Amino acid sequence: QSALTQPPSASGSPGQSVTISCTGTRSDVDGYNYVSWYQQHPGNAPKLLIYEVIKRPSGVPDRFSGSKSGNTASLTVSGLQAEDEADYYCSSYADSNNLIFGGGTKLTVL
Amino acid sequence: QLQLQESGPGLVKPSETLSLTCTVSGGSITNSRYYWGWIRQSPGKGLEWIGSVYYSGSAYYSPSLKSRVSISIDTTNSQFSLRLSSLTAADTSVYYCARHEWHWYFDLWGRGTLVSVSS
Repeated sequence: QSALTQPPSASGSPGQSVTISCTGTRSDVDGYNYVSWYQQHPGNAPKLLIYEVIKRPSGVPDRFSGSKSGNTASLTVSGLQAEDEADYYCSSYADSNNLIFGGGTKLTVL
Repeated sequence: QLQLQESGPGLVKPSETLSLTCTVSGGSITNSRYYWGWIRQSPGKGLEWIGSVYYSGSAYYSPSLKSRVSISIDTTNSQFSLRLSSLTAADTSVYYCARHEWHWYFDLWGRGTLVSVSS
């Protein structure tokens, strides 16, 4: 199964909102509500931001939100802050006990 | 507070087999809520799920790596291990161990260990 499709880059100014998309197929994103999002700063391990499409772990600011429509999931970062500059990855459960990641999106805060 | 720590060689030769271990501390590896997985990241590239194991020993693998991968668990020593055979330069990556829930989200990660494949 191919990687989920994410835009390679996204950007926004402080205070603005940015949305990152994650496109899959009926066998993954469209078939299950098991989409997750991760934030990764350089040299660090990924950090869970969103799970089960819309849920936020304790400690993750509510500026981060998730949604899904059909085969495309989205992560929205509202009120952009300098520390939001990082790589963002989506993942989805896929048929037959498989897990697929997106290619990643580099978010730049202008 | 539960922590994961990867250990293993930083350099392996092409065609050899990589063995990595993840030690779980500060909590139980036999908690029935969780699977224990391996994810890798090639330099400058994205994340790739390798496979996951349950405390019972049952394991799931990425279809693209299934023929070369084996993941096992040692509940006595709170460790789980990855073996990846027939290595090539393309297997050079940072390898992470992580915990995931039944709904396939990784909520706890190790710091990662860089493995280079080179003669």
